[in-house]
Amino acid sequence: EAQVTQNPRYLITVTGKKLTVTCSQNMNHEYMSWYRQDPGLGLRQIYYSMNVEVTDKGDVPEGYKVSRKEKRNFPLILESPSPNQTSLYFCASSFHRGQDEQYFGPGTRLTVT
Amino acid sequence: AQSVTQPDIHITVSEGASLELRCNYSYGATPYLFWYVQSPGQGLQLLLKYFSGDTLVQGIKGFEAEFKRSQSSFNLRKPSVHWSDAAEYFCAASGGYNKLIFGAGTRLAVHP
Repeated sequence: EAQVTQNPRYLITVTGKKLTVTCSQNMNHEYMSWYRQDPGLGLRQIYYSMNVEVTDKGDVPEGYKVSRKEKRNFPLILESPSPNQTSLYFCASSFHRGQDEQYFGPGTRLTVT
Repeated sequence: AQSVTQPDIHITVSEGASLELRCNYSYGATPYLFWYVQSPGQGLQLLLKYFSGDTLVQGIKGFEAEFKRSQSSFNLRKPSVHWSDAAEYFCAASGGYNKLIFGAGTRLAVHP
């Protein structure tokens, strides 16, 4: 089944404790992206990747890192999480470009205390 | 600046009634336009998209949207709403290769 998977689905952590949210897709998509969803703000892009080893900042990249060492995986790293990063995070992928149909993962709800 | 606006934060309709969700965009040129639906606890699913051509676009689940260049709008419609349509709906636009900009979303409630 074609899908985007994210782990963990729920995470509660404390300020400053490094964490990684994994994202994997099995559709051989070139483009992958991370979004955060906050009430009243919709989804905002954090980082995106056009292909292996090619990443770039989205609209809200501060406090986040990403890497793309394999085509299927695009982990999101929070090296020193803060409470303002409490949010619902979505990973998405598309075949080639950002304006192709994007397939979304189920989301990761992160709480930073 | 590029932006997508969904003026209605919350809409309630009765089951069987018609539905229209509004979306306006602000871009330098006509962007690619999308409507996504998010059911509770789920990720986003594409309902339909507009790239060019016919301004009335058909999507899944009986939804359609009309692109109006003069009004910079891309409103989503459904002639008869079902209880299972209760969800949050996002309009999105892309003007380039990399960035998808979302509106704030409209939460739809359906009364039986």
